[in-house]
Order: sequence, then C-alpha cells, then structure tokens
Amino acid sequence: EIVLTQSPGTLSLSPGERASLSCRTSQSLTTTYLAWYQQKPGQAPRLLIYASSNRATGIPDRFSGSGAGTDFTLTISRLEPEDFAVYYCQKYGSPPRFGQGTKVEIK
Amino acid sequence: QVQLVQSGAEVKKPGSSVRISCKASGDTFSNSAISWVRQAPGQGLDWMGGIVPIFGTTHYAQTFQGRVTITADESTGTIYMEINSLTSEDTAVYYCARGTGYRDHETGDYIYFGMNVWGLGTTVTVSS
Repeated sequence: EIVLTQSPGTLSLSPGERASLSCRTSQSLTTTYLAWYQQKPGQAPRLLIYASSNRATGIPDRFSGSGAGTDFTLTISRLEPEDFAVYYCQKYGSPPRFGQGTKVEIK
Repeated sequence: QVQLVQSGAEVKKPGSSVRISCKASGDTFSNSAISWVRQAPGQGLDWMGGIVPIFGTTHYAQTFQGRVTITADESTGTIYMEINSLTSEDTAVYYCARGTGYRDHETGDYIYFGMNVWGLGTTVTVSS
C-alpha cells in the first residue's frame, strides 16, 4: 500500500511569495501518475495538476507541478490572495490515494 | 460543461443506513469513472470507492469494503452510494467526483486517474 506524505503541514507565506509543496510516496510511481488539488473552506476540491505536470483546464500558469519516482512538487510562483487554501496530492491507481494535505496560510 | 448534482444533507441514527445520489448534468457518465470521496470534519480526503459505468464494475477501498455499495442507474444518469451500519465516525461530507482511467489488461485492475469534476458534497450527520 503506497502512502503519500505531504510537507510541510502548514506553509505561512505572504502574497507575492513563492510556495513549494512536497508530496513523497512510499514507493516509486512507475509513471507520473500524480495529481494535485486545491480546496478552500466549504468548497469541493478542484483539480490543479494531472499527470504530475499538466495544468488542468482554466488553471493559471503560476501553478506548476514537477517530479517523478517518489518525489513530487507543486509550485505556486507568486501567491495571489485566492491561493491561500489546502492542497492535496493524489496518486492514480487502484485504489487512488490522497496525501494528508498542506495548508498554505497568510503570514 | 458537465456538473455533478448531489442529494441533500442527511441526519441518521447510529446503526442505520444512508443512500446518497450524484446525477450528471450536461453529459452522461459514459467513458468516465465516478468516485466517492469522504471528508470528515477538519480532516483530509479519503477515497471510498468508485464505479466505471461503461464496464459495469465497482471498486472499493479496503476500509469500506463490505459496508459501502456503489451503483449506477444509467437510465437517469445517477450514481448512488449506500453506507450501512453507520457510526458517529461516518459523520462527514461525501463528494462524488468524475475522472477517467483505464483497465490494466495484465492485472485486470481499473486504474483511477485524477478527478476533474466534483459535486458540491453531501453532509451526513450520524447522531443519536
């Protein structure tokens, strides 16, 4: 059973700063089968990145994903006020599985 | 643009069952996989199970196997999830979500990909 570990648990940053969120898997993903989601309070998650590095429809280019194997990163190049939220990674599979989330909060 | 419309909030007694629904608006479920994801208060996302209507197959996370049943009514474009033997730990928001995937012909497993359309969630409260 593959476990996804996200770090840090909370990231305190100011608008305009760069955010780097990590997702590590307990076993190597044989392909780039990883997605990232954003969730704001009281809302459903929203798909940001699929297949490790592809932006979903309508996602601004300040969001980027990278990584392979066991180490994956979501980068937000310049934080906008609406980017403060919780972010989850998810591995594809049978079953798919989520990480525990990283909260990006305003410093 | 497909939307997923979920049924309304439920309040249930411990030991009872609940069935919640998810209806596709603007498209059908053909060629997609529908997952159910649970989020307990203040907690993260937990994949419970899914259904692939085109194959007529269902898949469940081990934690929920035997207690959760997912079905599809293709005539109405509605997916249902029933949870039995409810406890207070089942108090949560339940989301249906649509994605894609593929069937691994070597293992027979269905590989669920990312989920790009989500319902707004159904709150289930279990309380005596």
